[in-house]
Amino acid sequence: EIVLTQSPGTLSLSPGEGATLSCRASQSVSSTYLAWYQQKLGQAPRLLIYGASNRATGIPDRFSGSGSETDFTLTISRLEPEDFAVYYCQQYGSSPYTFGQGTKLEIE
Amino acid sequence: QVQLVQSGAAVKRPGASVRVSCKASGYTFSNYGITWVRQAPGQGLEWMGWISSAHNTKTNYAQKFQGRVTMTTDTSTDTAYMDLTSLSSDDTAVYYCGRDVAIIDFWGQGTLVTVSS
Repeated sequence: EIVLTQSPGTLSLSPGEGATLSCRASQSVSSTYLAWYQQKLGQAPRLLIYGASNRATGIPDRFSGSGSETDFTLTISRLEPEDFAVYYCQQYGSSPYTFGQGTKLEIE
Repeated sequence: QVQLVQSGAAVKRPGASVRVSCKASGYTFSNYGITWVRQAPGQGLEWMGWISSAHNTKTNYAQKFQGRVTMTTDTSTDTAYMDLTSLSSDDTAVYYCGRDVAIIDFWGQGTLVTVSS
């Protein structure tokens, strides 16, 4: 089973700043089958990024993903108030399709 | 528009079973799989498994749930079901279904299952 470790656990920033979230895999993720989801309190997750770097439909271009093999990054430029949420990475290249433990992005 | 509407909250006793339904609309149900994910209170997301909507027997369950979970679909009603048996307090969680195209691009609203004596 591929274990995904996200860092930091909590990130405190202000609107307008940039955010960098990390997701590290215990083994290489095949074909960059890595996705990022955003979850707000009391809501279902929302797909942001798939294939490590492809934005899902309707996702603003301030969200970008990068990385390969075992190291992946979600970057949010110019944080908006609605961006403060919990972010999860997921690998879907090797069953079971595991999630990271999440990074909480909170307002400083 | 794509929608996945799940059944309502359930309270179960330890040892009981639960069935959560997930009714799809706005797309051709048999063209996509359904993934089930759960989230315990205050915790992260946990992948439970996947089922092909076109081929009811094509499933992929997480090892952790093997023997306790059964996922099925009914193409006549465009509905997916997740049955979980031998419930314990550790199964208290919100259960989500999602349309699966390798990644989960649309999610249901979630169903809270509470296991309590």
